[in-house]
Amino acid sequence: EAGVAQSPRYKIIEKRQSVAFWCNPISGHATLYWYQQILGQGPKLLIQFQNNGVVDDSQLPKDRFSAERLKGVDSTLKIQPAKLEDSAVYLCASSLNSPAGQPQHFGDGTRLSIL
Amino acid sequence: RKEVEQDPGPFNVPEGATVAFNCTYSNSASQSFFWYRQDCRKEPKLLMSVYSSGNEDGRFTAQLNRASQYISLLIRDSKLSDSATYLCVVNIGQGGKLIFGQGTELSVKP
Repeated sequence: EAGVAQSPRYKIIEKRQSVAFWCNPISGHATLYWYQQILGQGPKLLIQFQNNGVVDDSQLPKDRFSAERLKGVDSTLKIQPAKLEDSAVYLCASSLNSPAGQPQHFGDGTRLSIL
Repeated sequence: RKEVEQDPGPFNVPEGATVAFNCTYSNSASQSFFWYRQDCRKEPKLLMSVYSSGNEDGRFTAQLNRASQYISLLIRDSKLSDSATYLCVVNIGQGGKLIFGQGTELSVKP
């Protein structure tokens, strides 16, 4: 079974620039999550999709971050404009559906550095 | 107060040692509990779920105390390959939202 695919693996940009990340979940997984993991911390949920609808985006900084999952399969996360504190690993995860206890499978992540 | 708090690390232990990680959570509505493992510069991977009755998977034993809102992970007979960061994870509500602790780093030395 192919895992969660993310790209790019690494991205270096200057502050105030824009960046986008892409995620393709495991085939058939209805639920998709984007997490931000700052060095030395655990992952923090940014947004959760169920098919193409948003379930939870309470911790997404909506003034600069946006995400979409238009066809209910792959997803993009965008930051515009980037700030220094956005330097982190951005992890995408998917699960078959969203009930509590459903295991989440993570992609390798995109490591973002802001100069 | 953080929603999920873990022992600060790192833990440095010799091979063969027994090591225990502790975790507390603040939301009494938490429904599911997990331990994830994260290797350096890799993604988190599910190690085991934690059940109220306690559960064991080989050298790993997980315990949950809902009254104290406390979770533990015990690793017996540590191997070099156990070196990683261990993340305590809590699921709040029905929607699958996971709250991660900050992680505890384990380094097993020969």
